[in-house]
Amino acid sequence: ETGVTQTPRHLVMGMTNKKSLKCEQHLGHNAMYWYKQSAKKPLELMFVYSLEERVENNSVPSRFSPECPNSSHLFLHLHTLQPEDSALYLCASSQERSGFGYGYTFGSGTRLTVV
Amino acid sequence: AQSVSQHNHHVILSEAASLELGCNYSYGGTVNLFWYVQYPGQHLQLLLKYFSGDPLVKGIKGFEAEFIKSKFSFNLRKPSVQWSDTAEYFCAVITRGSARQLTFGSGTQLTVLP
Repeated sequence: ETGVTQTPRHLVMGMTNKKSLKCEQHLGHNAMYWYKQSAKKPLELMFVYSLEERVENNSVPSRFSPECPNSSHLFLHLHTLQPEDSALYLCASSQERSGFGYGYTFGSGTRLTVV
Repeated sequence: AQSVSQHNHHVILSEAASLELGCNYSYGGTVNLFWYVQYPGQHLQLLLKYFSGDPLVKGIKGFEAEFIKSKFSFNLRKPSVQWSDTAEYFCAVITRGSARQLTFGSGTQLTVLP
């Protein structure tokens, strides 16, 4: 257990479904992140929340919608996904000081398959 | 924008062999450097990190890495690998130019044969 918990561990969804991924951190960190890990590609940063405010969105399609209701919880809402969106989605948290993230900790990820 | 290159996609070694995995980054300013490991079916774990000071950093499980600023490199080493080191290894960097974003290399799959 890393202190960052992601649910569900596995998710299979159709292209017309709506689902949500959940992330919870128990480390007292003030920043949370969503990353996408696809086969044969580097991890890609999708969203950054610092002090519950979204500060970066790396040109992610609008079919991915993040939500950060408080500093401990992060959601990724999914709708009308495409098969190429199948990947491992990783949540991470860190303690930001002076704009740097310290103590980056990752969750185990949600393995998403879009059919 | 910064980038990270890991030139070895798959490395196969026998137990007790020495390991060196290459990592190069492209950014001319101050960097913080990391190596992560991902064992099969498990989460990313931090092996070691460099922020400042001694360029030779020691991490967990006998791993070490050397930061060579002139070569923009941060290679990972272990003198004698074990079968349990079989995993995927990722190099990552945070720069002053994009301080919130950990930029990862594409990873190196290490297979250690018993």
